[in-house]
Amino acid sequence: GAVVSQHPSRVICKSGTSVKIECRSLDFQATTMFWYRQFPKQSLMLMATSNEGSKATYEQGVEKDKFLINHASLTLSTLTVTSAHPEDSSFYICSATGGLYNEQFFGPGTRLTVL
Amino acid sequence: QQQVKQSPQSLIVQKGGIPIINCAYENTAFDYFPWYQQFPGKGPALLIAIRPDVSEKKEGRFTISFNKSAKQFSLHIMDSQPGDSATYFCAASGNAGNMLTFGGGTRLMVKP
Repeated sequence: GAVVSQHPSRVICKSGTSVKIECRSLDFQATTMFWYRQFPKQSLMLMATSNEGSKATYEQGVEKDKFLINHASLTLSTLTVTSAHPEDSSFYICSATGGLYNEQFFGPGTRLTVL
Repeated sequence: QQQVKQSPQSLIVQKGGIPIINCAYENTAFDYFPWYQQFPGKGPALLIAIRPDVSEKKEGRFTISFNKSAKQFSLHIMDSQPGDSATYFCAASGNAGNMLTFGGGTRLMVKP
């Protein structure tokens, strides 16, 4: 139980295009989902907290107009990187809270490469 | 106040050894302390978590020791195996479902 999936697992796009990443809780309902980015050999950096049916809360320094988050249902949150540039290349990971003890479970991550 | 400091940054042990990873926190409002294991190119996986009402928790070969007065907690891996080679992150939050503050990570290598 407590499985979180992400799609796609990796994406390569041209500079200026937009990329959507999906995060799903497969066997539980997640009222809260989190989006992180991780650079090589570094820790996870929280980008935003997403609650179902409400606007996401972004961490300081994260551009909300560039990283659009939609949490339309209790099992799905999406992150859209708009007008992507090479500096947006990173490993994006989502997590969802759930399970008996309301713990955070992470997805497998999405590797974004912007050419 | 939100920082979690993790050490060492990297660790090499022989198979069967007991690597120990330490974390220290400042925010006394933290009351949930999980450890995550991450393999290259994968998302973190929850290993084990502890709350301040106990000083130790063991699950399989993984043990968390918690010192509330010192605001420190540590992960011990008993009988370590090469398959344990990964990056380990400690974290803390005010509640299991709340935002996690992560330590910087420890890259563990277990040599055969």
